[in-house]
This record gives sequence, structure tokens and C-alpha cells, in this order.
Amino acid sequence: RKEVEQDPGPFNVPEGATVAFNCTYSNSASQSFFWYRQDCRKEPKLLMSVYSSGNEDGRFTAQLNRASQYISLLIRDSKLSDSATYLCVVNQKSSGDKLTFGTGTRLAVRP
Amino acid sequence: GAVVSQHPSRVICKSGTSVKIECRSLDFQATTMFWYRQFPKKSLMLMATSNEGSKATYEQGVEKDKFLINHASLTLSTLTVTSAHPEDSSFYICSASTAYYNEQFFGPGTRLTVL
Repeated sequence: RKEVEQDPGPFNVPEGATVAFNCTYSNSASQSFFWYRQDCRKEPKLLMSVYSSGNEDGRFTAQLNRASQYISLLIRDSKLSDSATYLCVVNQKSSGDKLTFGTGTRLAVRP
Repeated sequence: GAVVSQHPSRVICKSGTSVKIECRSLDFQATTMFWYRQFPKKSLMLMATSNEGSKATYEQGVEKDKFLINHASLTLSTLTVTSAHPEDSSFYICSASTAYYNEQFFGPGTRLTVL
């Protein structure tokens, strides 16, 4: 079983749509959780950290369910510029600051 | 946020040659640097973790004699791909972190093509 699993997509949505991505992780000792965004042929960039209480940053909302080992990202009012690959990332502090990346979910927002 | 640079951004070389990639933290001192590799449509895979002044810790399956890592200062780490072969063609990305920031900052990546 992969350490971090994501639906690869692609998710093809019209502008203005709401889209949700899910992610599961296998290691219950995981302590920190993130969503990164990666554009084609570019490095990943931190989109937001994910907290147990859930957190929101503008149109983006992230949720964490530790009991189910499940992380989600909700994007409201999609923009063309949101088209990218969204990476679910997990950090197990017990192994230093190593990040484990999911394979990513590709989002394509169409006009 | 903090800035990390990588050089070169792109390199094409012949099979059997060695290629050195530099990773620099430009405005902060990075106690730890990480090297990742990403094949097309795959996730980033951690290759090794390096702490300034000490030997790198390699992930399982990564040959330390093939991927030489040097972290001689708090702002510079290098990855040398020795005797590169076509299967080493990939996108190599470094990241840097420090205890002050609770995140890793990624360099722009180096695309290596071995002919």
C-alpha cells in the first residue's frame, strides 16, 4: 500500500465550479499534513498546511480526519489559474523532517 | 518566503559523464537540505537528506556512490550524478529547511537528460 494515496484525476471542471480532492495516508504516526501545488515542469509550492480543526484560505479549504487518516482539499469558484497538479504531502516527525508526497491529482479548469 | 535556487536548470549530457547540480539557499541558512527525483507523471521521491557538515542519509534503493551529495556550508548543497545513464534522466529538485521555518522551500528543479 502506498504511504500517501490520491486519485490521479484528471478532474476537468468549468470555471466557477467547486471541486474536492481526497487523500489517504497509511502511517498513523504522521504528524504534519500539507497540500502543495505543482505546475507542469515546475517545483512544488506550498498551498496550505492542514490542521485537525480544518482551515480555510480564501477559496481553499483543507480538512484532516486523523481517525480515518484522510485529508481533503476543497476549491470553490475555480479559476483557470487553478489548473495544476495538487500534491498531498505528509510529514512523519519521527523520521526527521522527511516529506512523503502523493502522486498528485491533476486539475484542469476550462473556460 | 525563503528562496532556494538550483543550477543548472537544464542539462543534457552524454552517457557516462558526471553532472553536478547545485542547490543554494539565498536568504537563509539551511541546516538541512533534501534531494528529490521526479519521473514524468510520478510523485517526488526523496533520494537523500543532508545536514551541513555531515554525511548524507540516503533512502533505500538510492546508490550513494552514484549520487554523491556534499553539504559543505549552510547555504550550499551539491548533488553529483556520476557516470550518468539514460535511466538517470529525470527532474531533480532540492529543498531546504531550517528550524526557524516549519516547511521546506523548494528549488526550481534541474531537468537532466542523458543521451
